Amino acid sequence: EAEVAQSPRYKITEKSQAVAFWCDPISGHATLYWYRQILGQGPELLVQFQDESVVDDSQLPKDRFSAERLKGVDSTLKIQPAELGDSAMYLCASSYLSGQGYEQYFGPGTRLTVT
Amino acid sequence: AQSVTQLGSHVSVSEGALVLLRCNYSSSVPPYLFWYVQYPNQGLQLLLKYTSAATLVKGINGFEAEFKKSETSFHLTKPSAHMSDAAEYFCAVSSSGGSYIPTFGRGTSLIVHP
Repeated sequence: EAEVAQSPRYKITEKSQAVAFWCDPISGHATLYWYRQILGQGPELLVQFQDESVVDDSQLPKDRFSAERLKGVDSTLKIQPAELGDSAMYLCASSYLSGQGYEQYFGPGTRLTVT
Repeated sequence: AQSVTQLGSHVSVSEGALVLLRCNYSSSVPPYLFWYVQYPNQGLQLLLKYTSAATLVKGINGFEAEFKKSETSFHLTKPSAHMSDAAEYFCAVSSSGGSYIPTFGRGTSLIVHP
């Protein structure tokens, strides 16, 4: 069964360092999402891609976060510099298309701890 | 605009008892509704979804949910809880009013006692 791949699974970094997360969606899925999930809360959208284009990044803290999906396949989310408040689970999800009830398939996530 | 409210951050049941997890939504246009399950340190897995085809939706692992427009609810149920059902459950809504970007509830932690 096809799955969304994410790496690393766990990342510990010091404040002010740079970190990067990678996501490989299910083959053929045009839409890719990055979510941040703080412990005890639901996922919150950071950025949505349709192929290689950003559809929505209104909740992405652009002063320190960046995301790209250059060839419309895999994607990288970067934080520079990391802050203590960035400690969270970062989830990647993909769907065949956006809208009309297409469900999202989630990867296992990257647990980030900033010290 | 769209939103989801999950009543009860924790629900505790005995093994074999009925599971009921509550979800109320707000949407100005017809919504799509989803229930996801999340086990510790894992991603979310889809349990079931409502896409207007039928108000009673059956999902995986014996779960089902009923869409009630008059009550703006989409509660998740399972007749008999298993120990393996212990996890975090998230309700989500998407609609044209939110550009079809899902909005998730805060989650309900299901605890199953032997």
